[in-house]
Amino acid sequence: EPEVTQTPSHQVTQMGQEVILRCVPISNHLYFYWYRQILGQKVEFLVSFYNNEISEKSEIFDDQFSVERPDGSNFTLKIRSTKLEDSAMYFCASSGLAVSKNEQFFGPGTRLTVL
Amino acid sequence: AQTVTQSQPEMSVQEAETVTLSCTYDTSESNYYLFWYKQPPSRQMILVIRQEAYKQQNATENRFSVNFQKAAKSFSLKISDSQLGDTAMYFCAFQSMDSNYQLIWGAGTKLIIKP
Repeated sequence: EPEVTQTPSHQVTQMGQEVILRCVPISNHLYFYWYRQILGQKVEFLVSFYNNEISEKSEIFDDQFSVERPDGSNFTLKIRSTKLEDSAMYFCASSGLAVSKNEQFFGPGTRLTVL
Repeated sequence: AQTVTQSQPEMSVQEAETVTLSCTYDTSESNYYLFWYKQPPSRQMILVIRQEAYKQQNATENRFSVNFQKAAKSFSLKISDSQLGDTAMYFCAFQSMDSNYQLIWGAGTKLIIKP
């Protein structure tokens, strides 16, 4: 069964460093998402991406964040200068064609720890 | 803006019992989807069940069923014959059909199944 994969599973970084979180969505999916979950808190939407551009972003997704689909398979989230409060689980999700695009399939997450 | 409320931070039942998790939401829209996701200790987000708002019939998936009350904006999850493997965080999520399909999440309910 196809699945969304994410690497790395755990990333530890120093405050101020840049990190790139990687996701490989399900191959025929067209819509891609990033969510984050700070420990003990609810899941929060960051950004959605379709047709090689951002379709929607939340207030959290400020200038420090960017997304890219560099090669048609990977979908990356970059945080330019990490802050302590960026420590969280980051989930990538993808969804398919119009009929079923409402169902999002999630990757296993990347735990980001900023020291 | 849409909101999702899960009023039970934690619940605990004996194995084989039935348990109901509550979820209410607020929206002015008429077309949307509702979901229950399960997050076990591995932190993978797994879809349990979904409901289309235009359908009056409650969704069921094996031991999982929902009680969808559109007028009351209520969407509870019933787990029958609970099993130890059902121990997890359960998140209720709302998805508008008008906003690029981002998911709006509740705070979650921690469900513990006791042997």
